[in-house]
Amino acid sequence: QVQLVQSGAEVKEPGASVKVSCKASGYTFIDFGISWVRQAPGQGLEWMGWISAYNGNTIYAQKFLDRVTITTDTSTSTAYMELRSLRSDDTAVYYCAKDSVATSSLFDPWGQGTLVTVSS
Amino acid sequence: EIVLTQSPATLSLSPGERATLSCRASQSVSNYLAWYQHKPGQAPRLLIYDTSNRATGIPARFSGSGSGTDFTLTISSLEPEDFAVYYCQQRSKWPLTFGGGTRVEIK
Repeated sequence: QVQLVQSGAEVKEPGASVKVSCKASGYTFIDFGISWVRQAPGQGLEWMGWISAYNGNTIYAQKFLDRVTITTDTSTSTAYMELRSLRSDDTAVYYCAKDSVATSSLFDPWGQGTLVTVSS
Repeated sequence: EIVLTQSPATLSLSPGERATLSCRASQSVSNYLAWYQHKPGQAPRLLIYDTSNRATGIPARFSGSGSGTDFTLTISSLEPEDFAVYYCQQRSKWPLTFGGGTRVEIK
C-alpha cells in the first residue's frame, strides 16, 4: 500500500536549519507530486509548498519563499523539506503528503508527521 | 490568497446525531473544495474532494455539497470514531489554503 515515512523528531536552536525527509513506497514515485504541510501547537493546517517528483518543479507559499527548499531524490523515492533561519514560531508538526490519485493538489495519503521544536 | 472560514469552531453532538459543517471562501473556488478529518496523533485523512466526491474507503455517511463560495460537509449519523477536527481545503488557486478547522466533540 502507499506509505510515506518521515524522519524523526528534531530539536533546533533559533537561527538553525532543519531538513525533514519523507520516504515513499507503494507507488511510482515520479508519477505524483508531494506537498509539505505544517501544524503549529493549537493551530490549523498550513500548506508550505509542493514539488513535482517528475521534474523537480516547485511552488512555495509566499510566507516561506525565502526560507524553505523542497527537493526529491528519485533514486531513493524520498522527498525533503529544509527550513532555514528557524524561529520559535516554527515549532510545529511537519507533514509530507502525496498528490491524490483522484486529482492534483489534494493530499492523500500523508506521512506520520515530524515534530520540530525550536528552542534555545 | 483565498481565505477559507469554517464554522462553527466547535460542534458538540451525541453519537447518532447529524453534523453539519460549513466552509466559506473569500472568492469563488468553483467546485475545487476538499474536506479532511484529523484526529490527535494521527495524520489527516482525505474525506471528500471536488465538493462532493468521497475518497476511497470513506463511508457513505459523509457527504459534501456547495459551489462557488459556500460549502457544507454533512455527517448523517455520527459514529464514535467521527469525533475529530475537520478542515476544508481549496485547490482552485495557488497557494493551496486550508480553513481553520471545526472540532466535532462528544456532547
